[in-house]
Amino acid sequence: ETGVTQTPRHLVMGMTNKKSLKCEQHLGHNAMYWYKQSAKKPLELMFVYNFKEQTENNSVPSRFSPECPNSSHLFLHLHTLQPEDSALYLCASSQGPGSDSPLHFGNGTRLTVT
Amino acid sequence: GEDVEQSLFLSVREGDSSVINCTYTDSSSTYLYWYKQEPGAGLQLLTYIFSNMDMKQDQRLTVLLNKKDKHLSLRIADTQTGDSAIYFCAENTGANNLFFGTGTRLTVIP
Repeated sequence: ETGVTQTPRHLVMGMTNKKSLKCEQHLGHNAMYWYKQSAKKPLELMFVYNFKEQTENNSVPSRFSPECPNSSHLFLHLHTLQPEDSALYLCASSQGPGSDSPLHFGNGTRLTVT
Repeated sequence: GEDVEQSLFLSVREGDSSVINCTYTDSSSTYLYWYKQEPGAGLQLLTYIFSNMDMKQDQRLTVLLNKKDKHLSLRIADTQTGDSAIYFCAENTGANNLFFGTGTRLTVIP
């Protein structure tokens, strides 16, 4: 059982829809991450939050909007997505900055944009 | 920039040993990790090694690190069908981020 929970597990949305992905970690970590996993490509880091503050935005299009209300919760708001945004979106957490602690991942949300 | 490379596929017979290789480019990496991803799941941390070590053993898993050649390997002894998955190596350069390889798909043949 993972200490990082993601919902929903699967999501199908049209290009004009607005939806949100949710992530919750129960590990007492201070950093949270969004990664995108597409077929035949390395994992792509999207956003990093440390102590609720965004510390990295890896040139992600504005149609992806993250929100981190506290150290345990992370959202990814989606609007006007493109079919090429279909992928597995993984949330992760770690102890935080200045730490070499490994990332702990959720099971991901499989997103399909039609 | 950081670049982590792995071969894409590996097939082994059940009971044999598997060796999954990885090369990385950033010599300042502090920790190197191996993750396992089963179908429909996220990445599960298997093991990790600090950069001043050259070997770490954990039950059926042995990690070897050649820092001079920037080469990392994961050996799985007595490979089982349940070991079939994608294996990712990743390096931590101390920037609170991990850089991942493309993953090696291990297929265990009964």
